[in-house]
Amino acid sequence: RKEVEQDPGPFNVPEGATVAFNCTYSNSASQSFFWYRQDCRKEPKLLMSVYSSGNEDGRFTAQLNRASQYISLLIRDSKLSDSATYLCVVSSSGTYKYIFGTGTRLKVLA
Amino acid sequence: EAGVAQSPRYKIIEKRQSVAFWCNPISGHATLYWYQQILGQGPKLLIQFQNNGVVDDSQLPKDRFSAERLKGVDSTLKIQPAKLEDSAVYLCASSLQGHTDTQYFGPGTRLTVL
Repeated sequence: RKEVEQDPGPFNVPEGATVAFNCTYSNSASQSFFWYRQDCRKEPKLLMSVYSSGNEDGRFTAQLNRASQYISLLIRDSKLSDSATYLCVVSSSGTYKYIFGTGTRLKVLA
Repeated sequence: EAGVAQSPRYKIIEKRQSVAFWCNPISGHATLYWYQQILGQGPKLLIQFQNNGVVDDSQLPKDRFSAERLKGVDSTLKIQPAKLEDSAVYLCASSLQGHTDTQYFGPGTRLTVL
């Protein structure tokens, strides 16, 4: 089983739609969680950290479910510019190194 | 503030040749990472430096890959000899101190091995 698993997609959604991605992780002792965004042929950029209590940044909401070992990202009112790959990142306990998922590809259609 | 710089941006070599990549982290960032990103996958950590010391190189194929960070600033990653499966984007990232700090990525070097 992979340490971090994501549905690769693509998720094709119309502009204005709400879309949600999940990411599961295998190490129950994982400490930190993030969502990164990666545009085609570009480097990953931090979208948001994921906190236990959940957190929101504009149209983006991130949630952590430690009992079921998954994190989620909700995007409301999708824009064309949201089209990208969304990478789930889990920081393992002990070494604290970043473990990336394969990414979920989102296409927002006009 | 200047970001993480990498060069070259693209490199095409034949198998069994050698290649080197260079990274200049954000000024003041003590921690530097090299990742390998194969098409369709997420980045995989190859090596992590804290200043000029190696923190983690458990996933670095040491028979052909080497990396150094002399003086705790710039870093180079070398592959010798290259194999076809080394074709990937090599990303350098840096963070202020360590694992609790956000990692900032450079634009990457896209390597094609023929």
